[in-house]
Amino acid sequence: AQSVTQLDSQVPVFEEAPVELRCNYSSSVSVYLFWYVQYPNQGLQLLLKYLSGSTLVKGINGFEAEFNKSQTSFHLRKPSVHISDTAEYFCAVSTNAGKSTFGDGTTLTVKP
Amino acid sequence: DAGVTQSPTHLIKTRGQQVTLRCSPKSGHDTVSWYQQALGQGPQFIFQYYEEEERQRGNFPDRFSGHQFPNYSSELNVNALLLGDSALYLCASTNPGRERYGYTFGSGTRLTVV
Repeated sequence: AQSVTQLDSQVPVFEEAPVELRCNYSSSVSVYLFWYVQYPNQGLQLLLKYLSGSTLVKGINGFEAEFNKSQTSFHLRKPSVHISDTAEYFCAVSTNAGKSTFGDGTTLTVKP
Repeated sequence: DAGVTQSPTHLIKTRGQQVTLRCSPKSGHDTVSWYQQALGQGPQFIFQYYEEEERQRGNFPDRFSGHQFPNYSSELNVNALLLGDSALYLCASTNPGRERYGYTFGSGTRLTVV
């Protein structure tokens, strides 16, 4: 079985500041790792994914994430946030079996 | 290119009633998964359909059932509704073997049970 823990339920940050959203996972098998974003009253949109290879992955909207196998973490970062980045962010893991397990989400609020 | 479409967008039902939610996958996708997202929580996997068969199931009671049609569209049925079934129900699509690349999600159906 897999589990995902998002360490911060809410992250407030000022516009143009850097941000890190933290995600730890556990799994007895190899997993694929994802970050999704959910804007109000919308579904989830894929930000980025880690499948294999380089541990630093780049996604849309200037986001990137680093996979750390020894710490079983997959933290999401952005060097300079915008008001439009205000949303709910979900970390997820998936196996070859196809089922995805999601964390409970982190609410990112960007203040002017 | 149409993404995943879900209907209806909002629904209000009474305890004990039955409900059917509908999903059309993204063009070219043939695998459909359903998730329940309660307020303040992440999506929880209900089940996945491929080739009109339930391929995987999460930890949900038999009151939750589904169907996939030959055109790959899918329905989620919930019987004997409980207040706790109030949630956003998300449909996601992909292709077999492509799950590693992530899913395309619809905007969801907001179900309120009163």
